[in-house]
Amino acid sequence: EIVLTQSPGTLSLSPGERATLSCRASQSVGSSYLAWYQQKPGQAPRLLIYGASSRATGIPDRFSGSGSGTDFTLTISRLEPEDFVVYYCQQYGSSPRTFGQGTKLEIK
Amino acid sequence: QLQLQESGPGLVKPSETLSLTCTVSGGSISSSSHYWAWIRQPPGKGLEWIGSKYYSGSAYYNPSLESRVTISVDTSKNQFSLKLSSVTAADTAVYYCVREGLWSPFDYWGQGTLVTVSS
Repeated sequence: EIVLTQSPGTLSLSPGERATLSCRASQSVGSSYLAWYQQKPGQAPRLLIYGASSRATGIPDRFSGSGSGTDFTLTISRLEPEDFVVYYCQQYGSSPRTFGQGTKLEIK
Repeated sequence: QLQLQESGPGLVKPSETLSLTCTVSGGSISSSSHYWAWIRQPPGKGLEWIGSKYYSGSAYYNPSLESRVTISVDTSKNQFSLKLSSVTAADTAVYYCVREGLWSPFDYWGQGTLVTVSS
């Protein structure tokens, strides 16, 4: 099983700043089958990034993903007020599918 | 636009079987390009994949739950279902039904349904 570790657990920033979220895998994620999701309170997660760096349909270009192998990053270039929620990474290159424990983005 | 909607009891007694159904609209569950999955989230915690099933039969489950889980697909009703047996309080969670692409992530999610295990 691939264990995904996200850091930091909580990130405190201000609107307009740049956010960098990390996801580290316990072993290589095949073919960069790594996704990022955003979850707002009381809602289902929403797919942001797939294939480590491809934006899903309708996702603003301030969201970008990068990385390969075991180290992946989600970057939000200019934080909007609605971005201060929880983010999860997930690998779909092997079974069982696994998620990171989440990073909470909070307003500083 | 594809939509998924979970339905089923919100309260299940310990040791009994949790049963949920997901109704898919706006698309066919018989898609050759997708699996149909269940994911759960205990209150205030992270996401856990339960399992995924292809419409024509193949399925794979989380080893941590495999002995208690069955996912089935009913193409005539465009629905898929989850059964989780011998539940305990640890199975209390919001359960999501989700579409998974072949070698693709989870792209469409239901709104989720809270299932509480309590006597």
